[in-house]
Amino acid sequence: KQEVTQIPAALSVPEGENLVLNCSFTDSAIYNLQWFRQDPGKGLTSLLLIQSSQREQTSGRLNASLDKSSGRSTLYIAASQPGDSATYLCAVRPKMNRDDKIIFGKGTRLHILP
Amino acid sequence: EAQVTQNPRYLITVTGKKLTVTCSQNMNHEYMSWYRQDPGLGLRQIYYSMNVEVTDKGDVPEGYKVSRKEKRNFPLILESPSPNQTSLYFCASSPDQSSYNEQFFGPGTRLTVL
Repeated sequence: KQEVTQIPAALSVPEGENLVLNCSFTDSAIYNLQWFRQDPGKGLTSLLLIQSSQREQTSGRLNASLDKSSGRSTLYIAASQPGDSATYLCAVRPKMNRDDKIIFGKGTRLHILP
Repeated sequence: EAQVTQNPRYLITVTGKKLTVTCSQNMNHEYMSWYRQDPGLGLRQIYYSMNVEVTDKGDVPEGYKVSRKEKRNFPLILESPSPNQTSLYFCASSPDQSSYNEQFFGPGTRLTVL
């Protein structure tokens, strides 16, 4: 059974620093991995989608990498800003599922200190 | 604007009073699903639908019903809500069954059952 883990559960970083969020998954048989942002009590905003054949995706100050063989992904945030404070979720789409379900990690709650 | 909408956004109700949370997408997506999000448990899939008139159970379907009479709408029905269904609910959609597509999420519905 596919499990997705995000460590740490919470992280505080001074403004301006670069940071890395980690995501690991137990089964490398995936179609893709998606990173989301969630603001308190709000919906999920898709940040980056990495297909299984890709190694990384970039959007602005965000860069996500995927190492399928080791079951790891990282989300790199450059020059962090207070507006980056949110919970970041990663999710994988397993190949063994007959439906279109994606499996979520429990998220990393990020706080950027002004 | 391409989006997934949910109504209501917030709802407080009492045990046993039937309610419906609506979900609509304007992207002509075939696949739609419902998730609930609870502290410490993350997001879990309730029901999903591959296309019109095709629905199936997810991980936590007990106490819920869905219908898919039209492509754009996928309502979530709680026939007799109970306090353990207090949660944050998300509707999601993606273009088709292709597992390479990303999922788009609605803004969420915060439900409290007293």
